[in-house]
Parts: sequence; C-alpha cells; structure tokens
Amino acid sequence: GAVVSQHPSWVICKSGTSVKIECRSLDFQATTMFWYRQFPKQSLMLMATSNEGSKATYEQGVEKDKFLINHASLTLSTLTVTSAHPEDSSFYICSAATSGGYAGELFFGEGSRLTVL
Amino acid sequence: QQPVQSPQAVILREGEDAVINCSSSKALYSVHWYRQKHGEAPVFLMILLKGGEQKGHDKISASFNEKKQQSSLYLTASQLSYSGTYFCGTELNNTNAGKSTFGDGTTLTVKP
Repeated sequence: GAVVSQHPSWVICKSGTSVKIECRSLDFQATTMFWYRQFPKQSLMLMATSNEGSKATYEQGVEKDKFLINHASLTLSTLTVTSAHPEDSSFYICSAATSGGYAGELFFGEGSRLTVL
Repeated sequence: QQPVQSPQAVILREGEDAVINCSSSKALYSVHWYRQKHGEAPVFLMILLKGGEQKGHDKISASFNEKKQQSSLYLTASQLSYSGTYFCGTELNNTNAGKSTFGDGTTLTVKP
C-alpha cells in the first residue's frame, strides 16, 4: 500500500518555541492531506484539511494562527505548532488519500508525539 | 457527526471471536475500519461502500447494513496480534474525499 512518512517521531521542546512536523507521501501524490490530534485513549480529532497549493481548511475550534499548515507540494504537508505550550502536548498524526479513484482508504503517517515542557 | 462505537473495550482469549459495532444516526456514504497499536498510527483494515455489503480478509470481516447506518467488524479465532484499538471512520458524502469522522474506538485485548 501507499506509504506516508511523518517526521519527527517525537519532539520535546520548551514552552514558547515553535515546532514543525512534516508529512510526506513517499510513493504517491496527495492533493489532500489531513492533520489529526489524538489524546491518550481517545479518538482521532481532525484538526484541518491540507490542500496542495491553497489554504488549509480548519475544523471548528482549531486556531489557525496556532497551528500553521503548509502544503507546498503534492508530496509534502507541514504542521507548525507556534508558541507551543504544555497543553499542546499530544500525538499528532497526518493522513493522505491517494488522488484519483479515491475509495476511502486513508494512509496514516507514523505520528509525532509532541511534549512541551 | 461522530459515529458511536460499541463496546468500548473487550478482552478475549486467543481463538475467541469478537464483534465491534459502529452506528450512525444518518445514512453514510462509507465506513472504514482501522486498527491502532499503542503509540503507533492507525492501519487501514477495510472499507465498505454499499448497503448490505460484506467483505473480509483472513479472519477479519465487516458488514454494512442495508440502511447504511451501521457497520460491524468481526474478528474470528482471534490472535494475539489482533490486540489494539479499533476505530471506525465514516463519511456522510463523497464531496470531501478522505474527511472522515472517527468513533471513540474499541480496545481489544487478546490474552494467551
């Protein structure tokens, strides 16, 4: 199946700093990628839809200025957590759907665990 | 609108069967199932698009009822590797491909 790679797998940072997480589709082009946040033992919460070449679409309650998303190419989307605070600590996951003939299968990255001290 | 999954958790012995349900108050365009191991990303299991559809792979199968409001995941003769949290993801239409809403998950523990 298609492969989505996320980097870094984990990051620890100090409060007030910004952290960038990359999501790459390795063997296919993804016009759309999705970013989720997952708290322990909870479901995946969709944060935003990342569209190649245009602005991301954020879900209600997600701060656009806090979570910057850039989809610069058909294989790369980045999520930047700006001025991170301890409450931003979470597991962040991206996913992508193969473009063309989409049949509902989402390919997930490995996830990035952010810990803000 | 978030689908409702049941049960929240189930503990099995190796070789036993389990059923996990995913229900929606509205007719769905699609249902897909994922398994997530602790600390890892979810892995796609299967997708159902048609009312009355049933499909499976190895000893894991799923069904989608005729009204397309409920799906069930069947795990037969469970193996230790089946342990994990199972999520159903649902889509109400095909206008936003991939934009799924996930249930809260069902934690499956298979013991020797």
